[in-house]
Amino acid sequence: DQQVKQNSPSLSVQEGRISILNCDYTNSMFDYFLWYKKYPAEGPTFLISISSIKDKNEDGRFTVFLNKSAKHLSLHIVPSQPGDSAVYFCAASQDTGNQFYFGTGTSLTVIP
Amino acid sequence: NAGVMQNPRHLVRRRGQEARLRCSPMKGHSHVYWYRQLPEEGLKFMVYLQKENIIDESGMPKERFSAEFPKEGPSILRIQQVVRGDSAAYFCASSPNSGFYNEQFFGPGTRLTVL
Repeated sequence: DQQVKQNSPSLSVQEGRISILNCDYTNSMFDYFLWYKKYPAEGPTFLISISSIKDKNEDGRFTVFLNKSAKHLSLHIVPSQPGDSAVYFCAASQDTGNQFYFGTGTSLTVIP
Repeated sequence: NAGVMQNPRHLVRRRGQEARLRCSPMKGHSHVYWYRQLPEEGLKFMVYLQKENIIDESGMPKERFSAEFPKEGPSILRIQQVVRGDSAAYFCASSPNSGFYNEQFFGPGTRLTVL
């Protein structure tokens, strides 16, 4: 039962352009969402988060948008850089829970 | 401040052997989480522990798998009588507190291969 879904397994973007990574969830009780970035042979590293009381959170080149009615969030990276090439996981949790539910990841390739 | 440490990084076992995976949380963190990533899949929660207590093991297979986080020393994820389907990357994460708005810091993972 995949409660967090990333339907695009891969994405290629030209350097300098915008990268948009999408994530959908099914559990309306989720109220905290995170994006993690993962390089090969390393653990995921935290990128950015958003709580359900907000619809946007921005940190430098990274912006996360949350659409609660659609149960959808997205990560925008602009401008994209070759060093952004990695697998991006979205994750969700609920206040009463102990675990993060992860999507299956989207592999981003930024082409120089 | 060292990050989350996991060892070994790579572990090869034959079917029927035991696998022991270790995780040392970040300094000051008393909450440990174990996740498993099967090939082509996302990370799946297995177990959440605090010192000397298992808080949530809802994601742990009922048989052959166990976890502990003793008062002293690292957290251990133990897999008895491994099978080929146990081959995966096992990630440990730690956090200073539990609950809401709490980021989990991940270790580099242990890649288990069962021959």
